[in-house]
Amino acid sequence: QLQLQESGPGLVNPSETLPLTCTVSGGSMDSGIYYWAWIRQPPGKGLEWIGSIYSSGRTYYTPSLKSRVTISLDMSKYQFSLRLSSVTAADTALYYCARAPSATRVDYWGQGILVTVSS
Amino acid sequence: QSTLTQPPSASGSPGQSVTISCTGTSSDIGGYNYVSWYQHHPAKAPKLMIYDVTKRPSGVPDRFSGSKSGNTASLTVSGVQAEDEADYYCTSYAGNNNLVFGGGTKLTVL
Repeated sequence: QLQLQESGPGLVNPSETLPLTCTVSGGSMDSGIYYWAWIRQPPGKGLEWIGSIYSSGRTYYTPSLKSRVTISLDMSKYQFSLRLSSVTAADTALYYCARAPSATRVDYWGQGILVTVSS
Repeated sequence: QSTLTQPPSASGSPGQSVTISCTGTSSDIGGYNYVSWYQHHPAKAPKLMIYDVTKRPSGVPDRFSGSKSGNTASLTVSGVQAEDEADYYCTSYAGNNNLVFGGGTKLTVL
């Protein structure tokens, strides 16, 4: 059974960069047919698509976050990462990593990691 | 504010059928047959229950079914059971490698 686990700081200072890593286990990352994605959920609000990276390395970001987001992939470590720069309190959220077998759906999710932006 | 609109809550007694709606626009639900539904129990990873509007992944009970009409998709649980109590989220492909989500519906089994 494929498992994904988010890791990173639970607290980030305003204006700094939020770095998260997702570690994949129980399956292969290098089959060449998957997207690896990040999704977030602010407290009391709905889910928001952040973006994804295809196994080729091509990235896709949601327009509202595109200027601040970088998603990268290291298949040799079975990991992919999210960096969100210039964070504000509005970036406080539960961040999920996920696998997508196509651009049209996600099939496996991590449990999520709560990141709070505060000084 | 979520892009797709779901009712905040739904409920049913064991054995009853419950339907959860998800309303979008012609740019997402109405434009593509790529609606998915996820079941989310607190502190667990969300689980894919329905994809491509009507398809069920292996292992998902057949009491879960999906449908779509125009800009509205629906998830029906036929014969709801206690373990079905959870939050349910809909998503739709919206073009340009972008997914949009609903705000979630809390299903209560009475």
